[in-house]
Amino acid sequence: NAGVTQTPKFQVLKTGQSMTLQCAQDMNHEYMSWYRQDPGMGLRLIHYSVGAGITDQGEVPNGYNVSRSTTEDFPLRLLSAAPSQTSVYFCASSYTGTGQETQYFGPGTRLLVL
Amino acid sequence: SQQGEEDPQALSIQEGENATMNCSYKTSINNLQWYRQNSGRGLVHLILIRSNEREKHSGRLRVTLDTSKKSSSLLITASRAADTASYFCATLKRIQGAQKLVFGQGTRLTINP
Repeated sequence: NAGVTQTPKFQVLKTGQSMTLQCAQDMNHEYMSWYRQDPGMGLRLIHYSVGAGITDQGEVPNGYNVSRSTTEDFPLRLLSAAPSQTSVYFCASSYTGTGQETQYFGPGTRLLVL
Repeated sequence: SQQGEEDPQALSIQEGENATMNCSYKTSINNLQWYRQNSGRGLVHLILIRSNEREKHSGRLRVTLDTSKKSSSLLITASRAADTASYFCATLKRIQGAQKLVFGQGTRLTINP
């Protein structure tokens, strides 16, 4: 199994541009989530999904959209990038939809917004 | 504020010594998880301890949970240079009416050779 994969690994955007961060898992996990990690702030939950077709907001959802059309994929969309969205983004998944089990993390996407 | 808060924020010890990190939380939990993050990498799960457990071991790792004090500790015995990493605890927190898994800010552990 490839586990949780994220693309791209690194991206530079200009303010106002849009882009999609890709996340995929091949473990048939129900639960998927997106976090951002900033220095001194730990990981903050952006959005999560408990199964295909179901998404919900986390702690810091503003400026981001998600969808879950398949079990495998959970893309994160930045609608109009802002410098405050410069961060490292991690996707994670777990077996069931409760979020209480072991989370498997992807390698992260480093995003720089100029 | 973070549901799980690690203490200390940074810890530097000599190789071979034991390292202890603490995590405090505010609300009742079903379980508490500890993760490790090497520099520039994603988080890796270490241990999950359930609310009805008081202690759990995995190799050189020992986790304790005190639900009366709403705290947990992670002990790494006989530390090695490869243990240098950041360590996070994770618990469920109610956000907008739903329980969501949130992480603390982490403890940055440095093992000096």
